[in-house]
Amino acid sequence: GAGVSQSPSNKVTEKGKDVELRCDPISGHTALYWYRQSLGQGLEFLIYFQGNSAPDKSGLPSDRFSAERTGGSVSTLTIQRTQQEDSAVYLCASSPHGDYEQYFGPGTRLTVT
Amino acid sequence: AQSVTQLGSHVSVSEGALVLLRCNYSSSVPPYLFWYVQYPNQGLQLLLKYTTGATLVKGINGFEAEFKKSETSFHLTKPSAHMSDAAEYFCAVSGPRGGNKLVFGAGTILRVKS
Repeated sequence: GAGVSQSPSNKVTEKGKDVELRCDPISGHTALYWYRQSLGQGLEFLIYFQGNSAPDKSGLPSDRFSAERTGGSVSTLTIQRTQQEDSAVYLCASSPHGDYEQYFGPGTRLTVT
Repeated sequence: AQSVTQLGSHVSVSEGALVLLRCNYSSSVPPYLFWYVQYPNQGLQLLLKYTTGATLVKGINGFEAEFKKSETSFHLTKPSAHMSDAAEYFCAVSGPRGGNKLVFGAGTILRVKS
């Protein structure tokens, strides 16, 4: 079946602009996660959704970062007023209930110039 | 809090040789442990996982790992390396309760020499 998909695959933006990153989880998966992968920081957790609610937002690095999930499916990660340190690969994962292994998408590579 | 330490940021083995990638974890609750592999410009693919039960777990592509509670380790092994195993490998830990985030190690890049 279809896996986790993310769009765009690559995004180049100017410092100060807002960006939106999209994640389509595996159909029927109730849990959705966002992670960030960067050279300096490795793989970092950002936020976790169960259904449309986010019980764990502890990894969001600043108030410039926000995320929402609608219909228990698609999620959007928004970064406002992007900074160069936001450059990274943003990975989305989903799992059936949150107790199981997470299935990852291919990621969105964000470059802030 | 949970953490993962992967010993060796780079490991090089000859084709056909044993692969051993080391992972030690810290967790205040019974851990769930995972190994993921990442090929260039791709997402993470699950190799294997330990949740409860048998401490020796087998995964895809001939990999296996053993959970050793006394040593807080979850090392990944493969008896015979193949060129296609060249990739970056990540060990991760999460808690036993639903919804817990994965905490990753820094990763180990495996190089396979012909």
